[in-house]
This record gives sequence, structure tokens and C-alpha cells, in this order.
Amino acid sequence: AQRVTQPEKLLSVFKGAPVELKCNYSYSGSPELFWYVQYSRQRLQLLLRHISRESIKGFTADLNKGETSFHLKKPFAQEEDSAMYYCALQVAGNTGKLIFGQGTTLQVKP
Amino acid sequence: KAGVTQTPRYLIKTRGQQVTLSCSPISGHRSVSWYQQTPGQGLQFLFEYFSETQRNKGNFPGRFSGRQFSNSRSEMNVSTLELGDSALYLCASSLDGRTTDTQYFGPGTRLTVL
Repeated sequence: AQRVTQPEKLLSVFKGAPVELKCNYSYSGSPELFWYVQYSRQRLQLLLRHISRESIKGFTADLNKGETSFHLKKPFAQEEDSAMYYCALQVAGNTGKLIFGQGTTLQVKP
Repeated sequence: KAGVTQTPRYLIKTRGQQVTLSCSPISGHRSVSWYQQTPGQGLQFLFEYFSETQRNKGNFPGRFSGRQFSNSRSEMNVSTLELGDSALYLCASSLDGRTTDTQYFGPGTRLTVL
């Protein structure tokens, strides 16, 4: 069965420090992977997806098929990055179905 | 474009009752997915509708059902409510639900079952 694991429930860093939010997935094929973010009192929104290979708000994520990982990174955390981050997986042919990890709360301290 | 809207935003029901939640997708989006979010289980996929047909389904009991109308608006129904159905129910819309699409989420309906 496909699964997404985010091992950290809470990640606390100081402003300006590097951030890495971990995501591992289990799927033998080629997945589509996403990072969604939920800021306080806002709806869940897409941050980035691996197929786009773009950097959003300074965040990047690289798909490592060998390690089945899709970690989210940012070199210098900002206080406005504080939010809940979800890694999600979608499998080709499984329309409309995102499989989410449990989420990681990122807390950026001043 | 207006975002995904969900009504009502909050609901309180008692065990055994049934409830209907509504979701209006972004204009032009034909796929609507529903998710249940709880502290213990996280975000779990319920089902997806496309062109008025349920096209994909998660592992939820038959008490959870839905439908989609010709204007792509979708409703979700839960019958014989149980305490464990208390959750935030999110809907998301996309152009056609494929992996190349982005799902846009609504604000959710908070259901409390007493």
C-alpha cells in the first residue's frame, strides 16, 4: 500500500537557520509528490510539486527515488514560514486521491 | 477566480442523525475530492467525483456517500452519525483529478457529533 511518512511532528528552528522537513514514501512506481502548507487560519494550499522543479518562497524539494524521499528544504528560515506542512503522494491512475503524511509543524523562533 | 467554497462551515449533530455537506468547486474544475481530517488519522481520502460520477473511493464505510451535480458542485452525506465521525471535512477541486493537476482546497466543514 502507498504510504507517506513525516517522522517529525514538530520542528523548531531559529530565524535564519536552515530547515529540512523530512518526507518518505512507499510506492514502487513513479509517484507524483507534493508539499502542501497550511498557515494559521488559512486553508491548505499547494507549496510545490516535484514535477515543476521550482522554488517557492525559497523552498525546494528533490525527489530521491533511491531513498524514496522528498524532503523540503530552505536555507534560511523566516518567521512567516511557521505553519503546518504536509507531504502528499498521488499515483497515476488514482484520480483525485492524495495520500498525505501526518504533517509537520514548523515553528520559526525570532 | 473565486476559490473553493464549503457550506456550512460548522455543524453540530447528535449520534444517529444524518448530515449533508456542500462543496462548490472553482469555476471550470470538474473533479471534486473529499477528505476527512482528524487529529488521530490525519487527512484521509473519502472519494472523488468527476462528471457526476464517483470515479475513486477511499476506505470508508457505506454510511459515507456523495454526489456531484451537472455544474460540478458536490455534496457529501453521512448517515447514522457516530461520535468518531467528528472531524474537519475538506473538499478539493481540480481540472480533472489527474496527477498533473493541482488540487485546491476549501476551508472545510467542522462536524461535531454529540
